[in-house]
Amino acid sequence: DTAVSQTPKYLVTQMGNDKSIKCEQNLGHDTMYWYKQDSKKFLKIMFSYNNKELIINETVPNRFSPKSPDKAHLNLHINSLELGDSAVYFCASSLTGGGRNYGYTFGSGTRLTVV
Amino acid sequence: AQSVTQLGSHVSVSEGALVLLRCNYSSSVPPYLFWYVQYPNQGLQLLLKYTSAATLVKGINGFEAEFKKSETSFHLTKPSAHMSDAAEYFCAVSKSSGDKLTFGTGTRLAVRP
Repeated sequence: DTAVSQTPKYLVTQMGNDKSIKCEQNLGHDTMYWYKQDSKKFLKIMFSYNNKELIINETVPNRFSPKSPDKAHLNLHINSLELGDSAVYFCASSLTGGGRNYGYTFGSGTRLTVV
Repeated sequence: AQSVTQLGSHVSVSEGALVLLRCNYSSSVPPYLFWYVQYPNQGLQLLLKYTSAATLVKGINGFEAEFKKSETSFHLTKPSAHMSDAAEYFCAVSKSSGDKLTFGTGTRLAVRP
C-alpha cells in the first residue's frame, strides 16, 4: 500500500524520558512534515523537510529534534519529555514543484502520553 | 500569513438534512484550500482540495465545496447527511506547493437519527 506510515501508534512514557517517533512514506514525495494535535484537536506545524533539508522550524522547544536520513523518512526525537508534550503527532508528506500543489497525505498519528 | 476561520465548533444536523460547514480564509496570495475529515481516534483523510482549477470542487463521500474569492470562503456542503458523516472536519490553507498547511480549529459534526 502506498502511504505515510508512523510508528509507534501509541506511546506511553514517563516524564524525563527520551523517545522517538518514526515516519516513512512510499509515495515518492519530496517534502515531509510533523504536526502536533493538542487535546483541543488544534493542529499546528512543527517542522518540514524538503529533500532532507530543514525548511520550516516553528517555535518548538529544543527538546524536539527532527531527523531526515533520506527524503522518504522523517523521524522525531524528543528529549526530557514533559507532561505538556502529551498529544497526537502526525507525519505528512507532499510533492512539490511545477507550481502545482498536489495535496498532503497524512499518517495515522502517534498518540503520545507522558505520565 | 495564511489563516482559516471555521465558524461553529459544533454543528448538529438530522440524518438526511443538508450539511454546511463554514470556512473563511485569509491569504496574501492565491490560496490552495483543503478540507480534511478526522474520525475518532484516526488520522486525517483528504475530502477535497481547491488548487485554482474549477471553483466548485467535488470530493469523496458526496461532499463538495465552492471557492468564492469575493467572499474569501470555501464552505463544505453535502446534500444529505448520513450517520457515518459524524466526525471532526478541518479546513486548511497553504500558499504554495511544499508550503505548510495551516489548519482551522475544526468543526465537530454530529448527525442525529
